[in-house]
Formats: sequence, C-alpha cells, structure tokens
Amino acid sequence: GAGVSQSPSNKVTEKGKDVELRCDPISGHTALYWYRQSLGQGLEFLIYFQGNSAPDKSGLPSDRFSAERTGGSVSTLTIQRTQQEDSAVYLCASSFGTGNSPLHFGNGTRLTVT
Amino acid sequence: AQSVTQPDIHITVSEGASLELRCNYSYGATPYLFWYVQSPGQGLQLLLKYFSGDTLVQGIKGFEAEFKRSQSSFNLRKPSVHWSDAAEYFCAVTSWGGGNKLTFGTGTQLKVEL
Repeated sequence: GAGVSQSPSNKVTEKGKDVELRCDPISGHTALYWYRQSLGQGLEFLIYFQGNSAPDKSGLPSDRFSAERTGGSVSTLTIQRTQQEDSAVYLCASSFGTGNSPLHFGNGTRLTVT
Repeated sequence: AQSVTQPDIHITVSEGASLELRCNYSYGATPYLFWYVQSPGQGLQLLLKYFSGDTLVQGIKGFEAEFKRSQSSFNLRKPSVHWSDAAEYFCAVTSWGGGNKLTFGTGTQLKVEL
C-alpha cells in the first residue's frame, strides 16, 4: 500500500517568506509526527498528533513554527518568516496508534532558505 | 533528559567484513531502543527494536542488536556486510508512555568498499 507522502520534495525560499510543508500519512494511522533533520544534528522531534487529542508541541523551536492536522489525516507544517537556520530536511512519520508502534517515515521535504 | 550517543560519525568496511555500530543511551526509565537506516534521499526504515525480553534482537536485512543495560548500550551488528548496506544508521530511544517521541543519535554514515 501507499506509504507516507510528503510534498514538495524540495523547497527553496527566500529569507522572511512563509512556507507550508504537507504530509499525507498512511491510511488508518492515528498518530502523526514531524521531525527535523539538520546536517550533523540527527533528527529533532517537532510535534506529534494522536487522534483527536491536543497535539504535543513541545519540540517546536519557536513560535514561527506551527502545524495542524485536518480531519485526522493530512498535516501541514507552516514556518513563518523563514530564517537561514530553518534550512533542513523535514520528515513526517505516522504510526498505528502509540504504544511504540513502529514509525513509518516519508522521504522528507528538503527546505533551503536563501 | 534522555540522550543517545553514536560515537562514530563515519565507518568504512570492506564488503563481506563484519560490522558493529555503537550506540550508548542515557535514560532514567526503562528504555525502548530502535535502529533505523536511511538511504540517500529516502526516509528512515526501521531495522529492529528492543522493548523487553531477550536482549539480543534480530532485525531485517540480517542485522541484530544487543541490549546491555550495564553498559547503557545497544550496538548494531551484522556478520557480513553487503555493498547495499551503505547508508546512514540512526539509533533512537523512547520509553513506554513516551509514544513515539523518539530521541535520535546523530547517525553513523557507513561506507562499504568493494
């Protein structure tokens, strides 16, 4: 079946512009996660949605970052007033519930802020 | 705070040689441990996981890992490496009730020489 789909695969934007990154999780997966992968930094947790519960936003680095998940499916990560340090690969993952069910990752969106 | 250390940034092995990738964690509770692999331009794929029970766990693609509580380690091994194993490998930790808010190491880049 289809895996986690992310779009766009690459995004180049000018400093100060807003960007939206999209994630389409595996059908039936109730949990959705956003991670950021920066060069030499490993993966950094950003935000987590589980069903209809309030999202866990504890990893968002600043108030310029926000995310929503509509209808318990597709999620959008928005970065406002982008900065050069926002350049990274943004990875989305989904899982069937929590309880440490395996994460299924998308191929990521590579964001470059010039 | 929990943390994961992968002390080797780059490792080069010859095809057919054995492989061991190191992972040390710092975690107050009982850890749940994972190894993921990332090929260029791809998302992360789960190789194996440890929750409880037998401390030697088998994964996909012929990989195994051993949990050693006394050493706070979860090293990944493979008896004979194939050229297709060249990729980046990430160790990650969470706990029961932590959902999938994984804490990742910074990764080890594996190069396989033919």
